[in-house]
Amino acid sequence: GAVVSQHPSRVICKSGTSVKIECRSLDFQATTMFWYRQFPKKSLMLMATSNEGSKATYEQGVEKDKFLINHASLTLSTLTVTSAHPEDSSFYICSAGGSTQYFGPGTRLTVL
Amino acid sequence: AQKITQTQPGMFVQEKEAVTLDCTYDTSDPSYGLFWYKQPSSGEMIFLIYQGSYDQQNATEGRYSLNFQKARKSANLVISASQLGDSAMYFCAMREGYYGGATNKLIFGTGTLLAVQP
Repeated sequence: GAVVSQHPSRVICKSGTSVKIECRSLDFQATTMFWYRQFPKKSLMLMATSNEGSKATYEQGVEKDKFLINHASLTLSTLTVTSAHPEDSSFYICSAGGSTQYFGPGTRLTVL
Repeated sequence: AQKITQTQPGMFVQEKEAVTLDCTYDTSDPSYGLFWYKQPSSGEMIFLIYQGSYDQQNATEGRYSLNFQKARKSANLVISASQLGDSAMYFCAMREGYYGGATNKLIFGTGTLLAVQP
């Protein structure tokens, strides 16, 4: 299947700082990527749809000013958690692909 | 609104036996796709199998098969000859609509934790 990478795999930051997470499609071009969030022992919740060259589409209840998404190229989407707080600590995972979505390995964010 | 339901929070199975993980769904769209993903403790989401709403036959991928009963709106995953490495969280997911662009987004069930016992 298609390969999707994420970086970093794990990040610990202080409250109030911003954290950028990268999602890359390694062997295909992706005009659309998706960002999900997963709390411990919970399911994946879609946060937003990242659209290459245009604004992201956010799901209801997701603060767009808090979670900035940039999809500047056909192989890269970034999620920036701005002014992170402990409640933003979670597992963030992206996906890309066509009729079958392939997921990156995820990023575990811990905000102290 | 679309919805995915997995009623089994956890399952045990003996090594080498078969196990069925349940999944029911609800959608008003005649065109949709159903997926199963495996999530080991490392966190990565591994694609296992896909079934399209118009597919006539049940999907199979190696030891994985999908028991698709459209009238009942169920898409159960069957794992044959369980292995210790199959121990993981399993998620059922649905894509509503014909694939393409934003419609490729997935809605996930709550997952089933499978433990394979030696």
